[in-house]
Amino acid sequence: AQTVTQSQPEMSVQEAETVTLSCTYDTSENNYYLFWYKQPPSRQMILVIRQEAYKQQNATENRFSVNFQKAAKSFSLKISDSQLGDTAMYFCAFMKRGGDDKIIFGKGTRLHILP
Amino acid sequence: GAVVSQHPSWVICKSGTSVKIECRSLDFQATTMFWYRQFPKQSLMLMATSNEGSKATYEQGVEKDKFLINHASLTLSTLTVTSAHPEDSSFYICSARWSGRVGHTDTQYFGPGTRLTVL
Repeated sequence: AQTVTQSQPEMSVQEAETVTLSCTYDTSENNYYLFWYKQPPSRQMILVIRQEAYKQQNATENRFSVNFQKAAKSFSLKISDSQLGDTAMYFCAFMKRGGDDKIIFGKGTRLHILP
Repeated sequence: GAVVSQHPSWVICKSGTSVKIECRSLDFQATTMFWYRQFPKQSLMLMATSNEGSKATYEQGVEKDKFLINHASLTLSTLTVTSAHPEDSSFYICSARWSGRVGHTDTQYFGPGTRLTVL
């Protein structure tokens, strides 16, 4: 069975700083996806970034980038030039490719961006 | 593109009544939709997988007679909480898989959620 672990329940950082959220996962699969979802106070789940396991290149989306270490089963999210609107709960998630499409979520990291 | 709506956004009902929550993919077809439950300050817990034209697949521990799921079309899935009780109060979220989107076949898009309060 797959598991996703986020070891940082809560983090705070000053606006404009860079912050890294950690995520590790465990799987015996070789072909899968990893995601970071953001859930702001509105509770709408928003896809931040997605990484396909077979791609060595780390995914980036504007100020968001990941450090994907497949051998170490690590998938951290870096937010550069953090903004107040980045305040949210961030969930790391795993999905087996070509499987039943079930997403396995970590417990989340609550991120506060301080003015 | 890839907008998923839920209706209602919040509902309050009396214990013993049934409540229906709709999940719609507005600009794409979704052969598969998912229903999650989220308690305050916790992660999302998958309840069931809804497949268009077939029976839903429930996760272990989820009562299928309690949480009825119907996926009647490629854009609509409904979750009915039958004989609701206060312990069913929660935030319910659906997601839809855009099966035909090039490059994003396996990405799920989430609805805004429905807050259910059972008195």
